[in-house]
Amino acid sequence: AQTVTQSQPEMSVQEAETVTLSCTYDTSESDYYLFWYKQPPSRQMILVIRQEAYKQQNATENRFSVNFQKAAKSFSLKISDSQLGDAAMYFCAYRTGSVGGSNYKLTFGKGTLLTVNP
Amino acid sequence: DAGITQSPRYKITETGRQVTLMCHQTWSHSYMFWYRQDLGHGLRLIYYSAAADITDKGEVPDGYVVSRSKTENFPLTLESATRSQTSVYFCASSEDSQTGEAFFGQGTRLTVV
Repeated sequence: AQTVTQSQPEMSVQEAETVTLSCTYDTSESDYYLFWYKQPPSRQMILVIRQEAYKQQNATENRFSVNFQKAAKSFSLKISDSQLGDAAMYFCAYRTGSVGGSNYKLTFGKGTLLTVNP
Repeated sequence: DAGITQSPRYKITETGRQVTLMCHQTWSHSYMFWYRQDLGHGLRLIYYSAAADITDKGEVPDGYVVSRSKTENFPLTLESATRSQTSVYFCASSEDSQTGEAFFGQGTRLTVV
């Protein structure tokens, strides 16, 4: 079974600074997808960024980027120019790439609570 | 309204009572999921469904029952609620495609007293 580990229960960053959230995963599959979700105090789960395992290029979305190291099974999220609105719980998630398979579900890490200090 | 909606948003129930959490999506997504969120555990999968009338257990299915007679609905029933089932419950749906993004409902905060 796939597992996702987020080793940082809490992180803090100064406004306008850069912060990196760590995520590692364990899988025997070669085709899969990785995600970072943001959960603000409103409780809504918001997709931040997605990475396809077959792509070597790291995904970026505005101030959010990932460092995907397939061999090391590492998938960190970098937030640049941190803003107060970035304060949230961040979850790393894994999903198989096999459409229709019984494992076609998201497996989540335990989350990292990010605080942004003004 | 288009999207995925859960009801109720908040629920307080007594130990031993049966309670059903509702989930409805308007996209005709094939996959639907139920997760529970607890401090220190992240989101854990309870049950999921690949299509109408097809359901499967997730990581923590004990004490829960699901059904999916229609593609758009995926109710979760706690047959006899226990205090350990106090949690925030999320329903999600996803397309049956490689790049299918999972969309989440707003969550239901359930308290069992």
